[in-house]
Amino acid sequence: QKEVEQDPGPLSVPEGAIVSLNCTYSNSAFQYFMWYRQYSRKGPELLMYTYSSGNKEDGRFTAQVDKSSKYISLFIRDSQPSDSATYLCAINAGGTSYGKLTFGQGTILTVHP
Amino acid sequence: NAGVTQTPKFRVLKTGQSMTLLCAQDMNHEYMYWYRQDPGMGLRLIHYSVGEGTTAKGEVPDGYNVSRLKKQNFLLGLESAAPSQTSVYFCASNRDGTGELFFGEGSRLTVL
Repeated sequence: QKEVEQDPGPLSVPEGAIVSLNCTYSNSAFQYFMWYRQYSRKGPELLMYTYSSGNKEDGRFTAQVDKSSKYISLFIRDSQPSDSATYLCAINAGGTSYGKLTFGQGTILTVHP
Repeated sequence: NAGVTQTPKFRVLKTGQSMTLLCAQDMNHEYMYWYRQDPGMGLRLIHYSVGEGTTAKGEVPDGYNVSRLKKQNFLLGLESAAPSQTSVYFCASNRDGTGELFFGEGSRLTVL
């Protein structure tokens, strides 16, 4: 079993839709939870970063963490064509993990006008 | 404002050839990483470094070597390339082992 499992998609939604992206993880030692966005032929860029259970909002994006269920989600409201990208969940164990991230497989999202 | 720069961006090798990928960061970060990205596999850690002169193995280190002789540079070497090493390679850096990883734009390697 992979340490981090991500719904692979791909997802195709109309502009304005609400998008839900999800990951599960198996290691309860994981402490820091991130979502990266990767445009085609580019490197990943940090989108959201949280370290506690609950919700964190940033504009149209909401990151949700449920440590008891080992489940993390990213919601995108009022999705735009510019949101079309691959979304990667990433988790860090903290402590002596030296910043190493364990990534999900990535979900390709297409938002069509 | 370069951030993390990878060279070369594209390379085609024949089986058995060797090559080195160079990663340079101008943010004075202590930690650096090499990941590979394959379809359906996400990013997998090859090697990493927690400071100048240090290196450590990640999840998929076999067939690769690394060196960090200068704080700003992290080199990834393939001594005898194999088709299984066809991938997109990403270098990343981190200030102090917490928080955000900053990624380069990737190096696309094809081994024939």
